[in-house]
Amino acid sequence: GEDVEQSLFLSVREGDSSVINCTYTDSSSTYLYWYKQEPGAGLQLLTYIFSNMDMKQDQRLTVLLNKKDKHLSLRIADTQTGDSAIYFCAEILGNQFYFGTGTSLTVIP
Amino acid sequence: DGGITQSPKYLFRKEGQNVTLSCEQNLNHDAMYWYRQDPGQGLRLIYYSQIVNDFQKGDIAEGYSVSREKKESFPLTVTSAQKNPTAFYLCASNSHNQPQHFGDGTRLSIL
Repeated sequence: GEDVEQSLFLSVREGDSSVINCTYTDSSSTYLYWYKQEPGAGLQLLTYIFSNMDMKQDQRLTVLLNKKDKHLSLRIADTQTGDSAIYFCAEILGNQFYFGTGTSLTVIP
Repeated sequence: DGGITQSPKYLFRKEGQNVTLSCEQNLNHDAMYWYRQDPGQGLRLIYYSQIVNDFQKGDIAEGYSVSREKKESFPLTVTSAQKNPTAFYLCASNSHNQPQHFGDGTRLSIL
């Protein structure tokens, strides 16, 4: 499979912004996704970006895409304790999904 | 509500025993997937099916089997050949080029 890389851990203070980074491998990916996984649960789709876009904003979430560097980021503004979870980026090639290793976000009150 | 249902939520396996994890979806999705999740390792694809009566091996298919007799159902059997089955198993489905939707997972442990 493709190597989609993320750092494993991130800690932020409540109210600060969180930035979760992801590098992917194939520039022909049509969509890139961010999923959230809470403890003991499945993955929930948070947001996605089409590959011809540079940025997408959805309330507290901002997705930035740098196609040249194959770099994707998710910024969460005003991070809350309920944002503590594992965040996965994913790319789609054909109908195959390739997921990153996940970043565990801890929000410190 | 439409969605994906996995059952049971927790499952225990004895040595030498086969166990079957259920996955049902009412989203009318053509494709269904099984992933295994281990701590710190993300998701690894076990099997996937793009259409009824057809399925393909993923990256870690050894010790697992599946069937796809109905569009809405994609059960996974963890056989006795899988020597390290303890993990969290996730089922997903999607329509072509659409995001995958996930069930809530089944946690399998060894007795």
